[in-house]
Amino acid sequence: EVQLVESGGGLVQPGGSLRLSCAASGFTFSSSAMSWVRQAPGKGLEWVSSLSAAGGRTYYADSVKGPFTISRDNSKNTLFLQMNSLRADDTAVYYCAKGGGYGDAGFDYWGQGTLVTVSS
Amino acid sequence: QSALTQPASVSGSPGQSITISCTGTSSDVGSYNLVSWYQQHPGKAPKFMIYEGNKRPSGVASRFSGSKSGNTASLTISGLQAEDEADYYCCSYAGSSTWVFGTGTKVTVL
Repeated sequence: EVQLVESGGGLVQPGGSLRLSCAASGFTFSSSAMSWVRQAPGKGLEWVSSLSAAGGRTYYADSVKGPFTISRDNSKNTLFLQMNSLRADDTAVYYCAKGGGYGDAGFDYWGQGTLVTVSS
Repeated sequence: QSALTQPASVSGSPGQSITISCTGTSSDVGSYNLVSWYQQHPGKAPKFMIYEGNKRPSGVASRFSGSKSGNTASLTISGLQAEDEADYYCCSYAGSSTWVFGTGTKVTVL
């Protein structure tokens, strides 16, 4: 059974940083592109970033390009999202999702999400 | 990277059919056969329902179907059931390894 478990969310002040993690199991992590998708409170889904299976190619939405960095540790089946210079409009539930890479048809499995709140 | 346009809400009675539209541009929906649809119940993670416009992953009920014409994709739920009440989002590949989601549609079963 595919499982994706996010962690690392919480309350952070504007301008602060946070690192999200996503522990994966139940599939060959090192062969799968992975992504982050976020959802602001009461709002729709927004694609944030994707990373190739080997980790060599990264892609970002314009809204997070620069402050956010996606990475992975295939030896630990873990995906990361380093978020710097956080702003109030980064407040959202952040979902880890399998897919989003070259040849993928979308995002076939999702974690339960971790809430990031940016507020003073 | 503008969001794809969906109606805010669609409703139907049990057993009826409803269709949700998803309008993009020639740079996303119109250029790629990579439209997917997601169902999201309140407080839950999205669920992968349709991919490549009209294919269903294993385990998704056959009453869910998809189609595409030009820059507009559609999701049809036939034989609407109470458990289908949820938010639905379309998503399209938008080139250069980027993706764009729709604005979301709340489906209400009357």
